[in-house]
Amino acid sequence: DAGVTQSPTHLIKTRGQQVTLRCSPKSGHDTVSWYQQALGQGPQFIFQYYEEEERQRGNFPDRFSGHQFPNYSSELNVNALLLGDSALYLCASSRGLGNTEAFFGQGTRLTVV
Amino acid sequence: GDSVTQMEGPVTLSEEAFLTINCTYTATGYPSLFWYVQYPGEGLQLLLKATKADDKGSNKGFEATYRKETTSFHLEKGSVQVSDSAVYFCALSGDNNDMRFGAGTRLTVKP
Repeated sequence: DAGVTQSPTHLIKTRGQQVTLRCSPKSGHDTVSWYQQALGQGPQFIFQYYEEEERQRGNFPDRFSGHQFPNYSSELNVNALLLGDSALYLCASSRGLGNTEAFFGQGTRLTVV
Repeated sequence: GDSVTQMEGPVTLSEEAFLTINCTYTATGYPSLFWYVQYPGEGLQLLLKATKADDKGSNKGFEATYRKETTSFHLEKGSVQVSDSAVYFCALSGDNNDMRFGAGTRLTVKP
C-alpha cells in the first residue's frame, strides 16, 4: 500500500505565479482534504473533496481552488501567489465522510519568492 | 466554530520521564479526537484516536482519554524515549468533516 502520495516534494515559485499541487489518496479512500501548514503552526483546513465535489471549505480566499478526478486523486491550485502562501501543503485521505481518521502525505513544501 | 487548544511548548524531558501534553477542545455535536505526530521533514502520522466520550486511545505506550465533562483529550506516556522527540498535534473531526488542529507541541527527549 503506497499510502498518500504528493508531488512535487518541493517547489519554488515567484510572487504572482500560479501553482498546482497533486495528491493520490491511500488505496480504498475516496475523500481528499487539503491543509496549509505554516512554519511552527498546526495545519489549517483548506477544503475537502468527495465524489468530485468540494464538500467543505475553510477560511481561504478564492485564489485557492481544487479538483478531484474520477480515480479520487486531487489537485490544489493557487493563483496569484503571495509571499504568505509559503508553507507546507498537506493532503489527507479518508474513507467517506464523517468523523473518520485521515492519513496524511509527506506534503509539498512551497516557497514563494 | 470548532477549535482545539493544546499546551504550548517546547517541552524538554529526560529519557524515562513521564509525559503529559494537555489538549482541550470546543465543538458542537460529538467530535472524534485525535493525536498526530510529526517527525522532522515528514507529514503527520496518526498516533491514536477516540471517537466517543470515555474512550481511551492508545498506541506505542501513549494514551489519551476522551473526557466530555472537561472537554479534554490529554496525551500521556509513562516513560519517554529519545525516539519520541517530535511535534505532537491534537485534532478533532466534527460534524462538518473538516479536521481542526492545535498549534502543536514540540517534545525533545534528552538521553
